[in-house]
Amino acid sequence: DQQVKQNSPSLSVQEGRISILNCDYTNSMFDYFLWYKKYPAEGPTFLISISSIKDKNEDGRFTVFLNKSAKHLSLHIVPSQPGDSAVYFCAASGGSTLGRLYFGRGTQLTVWP
Amino acid sequence: NAGVMQNPRHLVRRRGQEARLRCSPMKGHSHVYWYRQLPEEGLKFMVYLQKENIIDESGMPKERFSAEFPKEGPSILRIQQVVRGDSAAYFCASSPPESKATQYFGPGTRLTVL
Repeated sequence: DQQVKQNSPSLSVQEGRISILNCDYTNSMFDYFLWYKKYPAEGPTFLISISSIKDKNEDGRFTVFLNKSAKHLSLHIVPSQPGDSAVYFCAASGGSTLGRLYFGRGTQLTVWP
Repeated sequence: NAGVMQNPRHLVRRRGQEARLRCSPMKGHSHVYWYRQLPEEGLKFMVYLQKENIIDESGMPKERFSAEFPKEGPSILRIQQVVRGDSAAYFCASSPPESKATQYFGPGTRLTVL
């Protein structure tokens, strides 16, 4: 069963505009969430994380928002740049499966000039 | 500070052969995780190890797959008698001991079974 879901397989955004990537989860025991970026033939690169005690975390152009009641998180990239074009994975951990990350299937972001 | 190292980057095996994938964690990291990514899918957890201990192997197939993280040397993911369905990208990640730790990934090993 897919406990972390990214329902948009792809997103296309113009350079300079905001990119919003969404992620939903089903397990209420998850308490730590991460976003990774992945280029083809490379490993995932950590971008930003958020603990369930917060509802927002910012790092430069990247902001993650967490809505625990809706079991939803989103990643905002402002402004978007062509180099941001990659697959973005949402991941979650917590509860009895400490250490194990559950991943969504990813969203392919394309930023065009 | 070197990142997570994995080798080989590409591995080709014929059906029935053995595949050995190696992973060296980041300096100071004592926790190692293995994930598998099949085409068009996300990463799926396989196993979580600390030095000389398997903490969680609930994601490992029951047969042919094993993992270790010895006191000295890299972590090894071993697949015996490979089949075509084992073709995938295998990623290793490491983290420091804190419970809410971010995992940092290596570049992966792409296994192709002919």
